[in-house]
Parts: sequence; structure tokens; C-alpha cells
Amino acid sequence: DGGITQSPKYLFRKEGQNVTLSCEQNLNHDAMYWYRQDPGQGLRLIYYSQIVNDFQKGDIAEGYSVSREKKESFPLTVTSAQKNPTAFYLCASSMEGRVYNEQFFGPGTRLTVL
Amino acid sequence: QKEVEQNSGPLSVPEGAIASLNCTYSDRGSQSFFWYRQYSGKSPELIMFIYSNGDKEDGRFTAQLNKASQYVSLLIRDSQPSDSATYLCAVPGAPGRRALTFGSGTRLQVQP
Repeated sequence: DGGITQSPKYLFRKEGQNVTLSCEQNLNHDAMYWYRQDPGQGLRLIYYSQIVNDFQKGDIAEGYSVSREKKESFPLTVTSAQKNPTAFYLCASSMEGRVYNEQFFGPGTRLTVL
Repeated sequence: QKEVEQNSGPLSVPEGAIASLNCTYSDRGSQSFFWYRQYSGKSPELIMFIYSNGDKEDGRFTAQLNKASQYVSLLIRDSQPSDSATYLCAVPGAPGRRALTFGSGTRLQVQP
């Protein structure tokens, strides 16, 4: 089955710890995205990548880092510099070269800081 | 001004009624518009997209776009309790940025 997988589903972080969220897709999509969602709010863009080995900051990139070494994978690291990381993290992907950019989402990772 | 605005709700409708969800956007250059459904605790699911003025129908869902008024809506006919969810409106971001910009969503409650 084609799709987007994220792991883990739930993640607990201690203060001062870096954690990495995994996102993998087998849809052969070129572009991948990371969004953050806080309770009762919409999605805010953290980082996105339109091609391997290239990525751009979104609206709330501070305290986060990403890499895009493979087309299928776009891991997100939440660093200790992110002061309020408790949120629902969503990875998405889309096909480049399409006029209308439909994005499809993975199941999400819920991160809690202890 | 927020780029995409939605009434947070909750919008409560009886089972079988038509639910009308609305979204306004600020960028007159936006060409395509997306509606996602998000159940509590789950990720968003794409249900409709529209890029031409007028209506687009898919089953019980109809998306309506009015570019002159910068307004897009989603109608759900014969609403079911299973339609109870948050509906997110999204538009493409700034030119050159392919990521979508999302509204904060409208929570719909369909009463049995």
C-alpha cells in the first residue's frame, strides 16, 4: 500500500533533550513538508523540501532541523532550543510539477515535553 | 490580517440537514483551494479541491468558489453523525512556496 508513515505515534521528551521524528513515504512524491498543530489551531509550516538535498524554512523553523538525503525520507529533529515543543506534528507530501498542489498527510506524531 | 479565515464553530446541524462551512482568503492571486477533514486526534484528510469559479460536486460534498469575493465554501448534504469533525480550508502559500496555508478550521457537530 502506498502512503506516508510517521513514527513514533507518541513521543515524550525531557527538558533539554533533542528528539527526531521519522517520516517516510512510498508515493514517489518529490515534495515533503512538516507542520505543527496546537490544540484548536490550524497547521503551521515548519520546514519543506521540494527536492532531495534541499529544504527551506517555513513560518516557525526556529528550534527545528531537517534533512532530506533520500526522496522517501524527511526526518524532523526537535532541538532543545524549541521552547514549547508539545504539539501534534504532521508530515505531508505532494507531487511536484502539478499545477494544483494536493498534499497528503501521514498519521502524525504527538510530542509531549515532560 | 490572517491569510485564511474560518469561523471556529462549533457549527451544529441536525442529521440530514445541509452543513455550510465558509472560508475567506486574503491573496487574490490564489488559484486553488482545498478542504480537509480532520477527526479528533487524527491527521487531515483531503476531501475536495476547487480551482474554478462556481461549484464542484463530489457525492454529498459541494465546494463553491467565488474569487471576486475571495470566498470558498463547503456544503455537506444529508449530514451524518460521521461527518462530525473539524474542516480545514487551505490555499497555496506565497509564490514559489508550494506548501499550503491553513485556516484554523471549523468544528462541525451533526446531531443524531
